[in-house]
Parts: sequence; C-alpha cells; structure tokens
Amino acid sequence: AQTVTQSQPEMSVQEAETVTLSCTYDTSESDYYLFWYKQPPSRQMILVIRQEAYKQQNATENRFSVNFQKAAKSFSLKISDSQLGDAAMYFCAYIQGAQKLVFGQGTRLTINP
Amino acid sequence: EADIYQTPRYLVIGTGKKITLECSQTMGHDKMYWYQQDPGMELHLIHYSYGVNSTEKGDLSSESTVSRIRTEHFPLTLESARPSHTSQYLCASSEMGTGGVAFFGQGTRLTVV
Repeated sequence: AQTVTQSQPEMSVQEAETVTLSCTYDTSESDYYLFWYKQPPSRQMILVIRQEAYKQQNATENRFSVNFQKAAKSFSLKISDSQLGDAAMYFCAYIQGAQKLVFGQGTRLTINP
Repeated sequence: EADIYQTPRYLVIGTGKKITLECSQTMGHDKMYWYQQDPGMELHLIHYSYGVNSTEKGDLSSESTVSRIRTEHFPLTLESARPSHTSQYLCASSEMGTGGVAFFGQGTRLTVV
C-alpha cells in the first residue's frame, strides 16, 4: 500500500524567512499526483500546490514551490518570504489513478514575528 | 470557495444518542471521503465512496456508518454516540479522474458528554 511520511511534526520560521517542509512517499507506480494541503487553525483545509509525477518541472504557486525528486520519492514544500498567515498544519498527500487519497501525518508550522 | 458543506459545525450531545453528520457537495464529484481528526493531529480516513451506492471502510476502524444514495450527499451516522467518538470529522470530495484535487468541508466538531 502507498504510504506518505512527514518526519517533521513541528517547524518554526521567522517572518520573511524561508522554510522547507519534508515529505517522502512509497509507491511502485510511475504515474501519480502529489499535493500539499494547508489547514489553518479552525479553518478549512485548502490546496496549496499540486505536482504531476510525469512532469519533471517543479510546481510553483507564488511563494510556494516544491522540490520533487521522483527517484528519491521525495516531495518537499518551500515557503519563501513566510507570512503570519502561513501558520497552519501542512499535509502532504498522494493519489494514483482512481484510488483513494493518502495523507501524511502533518507538520505544524509556526511563524515567529 | 469550495462548494462542499458540512452541518452542523459544532455538536454537543449526550451518550447513547443517535447522530447524523451531513455532508453535501454541488460540484458533481464522484469521490467522497470522511476523515476523523483530533486537534492539530493527522487525518484518519474512516469511510470513502466512489459514487452512488458505493461505500468503503477506511484505514481507521470506526463504529460509524455512511450511505451514498445521491451523488451530492454523503452522511455519516453514529447509532449510539460515546465519549470516545469526540473528535473533528472532515468531509471531502474530488473528481474521479486522475489527480483530482480534493475539496474539504469546514468540519464538524463533535463532543459527546
């Protein structure tokens, strides 16, 4: 079965600095999708960024970018110019074909003013 | 803003009561999910559905049941609530196609006293 692992339960960063959240996954498939989701305190879970495994180019969305290393099965999220509103739980997720979405354990990100 | 709704947002109920948590989406998504999440903790998949009349148990054993009579509606029922059921319940939906982004409801915070 596919698994997703986030080895950092908590991370903190100074406002305006850059932080990287780690995610590794295990799969024998070659075609799949990876996601980072953000869950702010007491608010709705929302998509941050999506990566298609067959695309070598790393996805970017404004201050958010990923480092996708397919051979290493690694999918880290880099947040540049961290803002107070970035404070949240971040979840890495994997999906292949029509199967169910698989989430990692989550990383709590704190932004220090 | 995602078109997926959960009601109620908060529920405090006595032990032994029957409860139904509602989840509806207007996006026509075939896949729907129920997750259980304690505050600041990882998501545990308890039920999912690939479409009408399709329901599957998730990775975490749950005493709850679900039904999928209509595409847009995926209610979760607890026949006899217990304090151990106290948690946050998140509903999500996604397209059936490969790489479909999951959209989440705002969650129901259930407290059983």
